[in-house]
Amino acid sequence: NAGVMQNPRHLVRRRGQEARLRCSPMKGHSHVYWYRQLPEEGLKFMVYLQKENIIDESGMPKERFSAEFPKEGPSILRIQQVVRGDSAAYFCASSPWQGLEETQYFGPGTRLLVL
Amino acid sequence: AQSVTQLGSHVSVSEGALVLLRCNYSSSVPPYLFWYVQYPNQGLQLLLKYTSAATLVKGINGFEAEFKKSETSFHLTKPSAHMSDAAEYFCAVTATGNQFYFGTGTSLTVIP
Repeated sequence: NAGVMQNPRHLVRRRGQEARLRCSPMKGHSHVYWYRQLPEEGLKFMVYLQKENIIDESGMPKERFSAEFPKEGPSILRIQQVVRGDSAAYFCASSPWQGLEETQYFGPGTRLLVL
Repeated sequence: AQSVTQLGSHVSVSEGALVLLRCNYSSSVPPYLFWYVQYPNQGLQLLLKYTSAATLVKGINGFEAEFKKSETSFHLTKPSAHMSDAAEYFCAVTATGNQFYFGTGTSLTVIP
């Protein structure tokens, strides 16, 4: 059973470009979470999605960031017009259902560097 | 609101010595607590979790943690450190299952 897959693992963008980060949850998991880890900091929650629905985006910046989890295919975190402050590691996690006792399983992350 | 505080951003222990990584939580409702480990350039791997059953929780790789409500703590311990334990350790809390709130992490160095 493959774990959570993220690609690319490393992404370099120039200021003003767009970054697309992909996350394929574990087989059988329909809940996806995105987190951002800035250097020397812990992970910060960004958004929680189920198939075709955004459930909680309270941690998402209001501008330039968007996320989707279509019926088919991976979840996508999209950052438009990237700035240097967007440089971070972005982690995706998945779970089979949402519940207090349910563990979130994390992918290896995408490390975004904005030049 | 929930939060965790990890005291000590860097901890060094000798190989074979006791490992103690501290985590204190704040939660307005009964919390569910987790410890994750992160190796360089990798994702987070679950070590153990507390979900209101036994207060002493045993995890993988010989780690365990004890939930102490009176001290609002969930410290991670291992009796004897191994070189392979060198990594970043994160404590996390959730009260909804949606959002996990992570601490800033503790980097563990094991000295041979």
